[in-house]
Amino acid sequence: NAGVMQNPRHLVRRRGQEARLRCSPMKGHSHVYWYRQLPEEGLKFMVYLQKENIIDESGMPKERFSAEFPKEGPSILRIQQVVRGDSAAYFCASSYRDRGMNTEAFFGQGTRLTVV
Amino acid sequence: GDSVTQMEGPVTLSEEAFLTINCTYTATGYPSLFWYVQYPGEGLQLLLKATKADDKGSNKGFEATYRKETTSFHLEKGSVQVSDSAVYFCALRVNTGNQFYFGTGTSLTVIP
Repeated sequence: NAGVMQNPRHLVRRRGQEARLRCSPMKGHSHVYWYRQLPEEGLKFMVYLQKENIIDESGMPKERFSAEFPKEGPSILRIQQVVRGDSAAYFCASSYRDRGMNTEAFFGQGTRLTVV
Repeated sequence: GDSVTQMEGPVTLSEEAFLTINCTYTATGYPSLFWYVQYPGEGLQLLLKATKADDKGSNKGFEATYRKETTSFHLEKGSVQVSDSAVYFCALRVNTGNQFYFGTGTSLTVIP
């Protein structure tokens, strides 16, 4: 059973371009979380999704950021018109429901976005 | 609201020293508690967990006990190794909630 797969591992974008980060959850997992980690800082929650639904996006910036988790295919975190402050590591995690409760989160290796 | 407060780092220890990283939490419900470890350039890996009061999670020589009376989940290891050098994150999830709340992380460096 493959773990959570994120790609690309490293992404370089010029200011104003779009960044698309992909996350394939573990097999059988229907819940996906996105987190951002700035250098020397902890993890900041961004968004929680289930298949085809955004459940909690309280951590998402109001502009330029969007996320989806379609019925088929990976979850996508999209950042439009990137700025230097978007440079960070973006981590995806997945979990599943077990007897009505979410299990622990399993993390991918992250996408390190650099905006130049 | 729900939150985790974690001991500030960085922490530097000599090999075979005793490790404690403090973690306290605030939760509106009945949380599950976790410790994650992040090695350089990698994602977070689950180290151990506890799902109810008085549970003790353990793995690779690390232990943490879920203390409801002190709202704590301190991480301990009796004898650290150089390979334990990493960043450690305490986290909670309220069982009816959506997200995991993480502490800011504690960087541990073990020197030979």
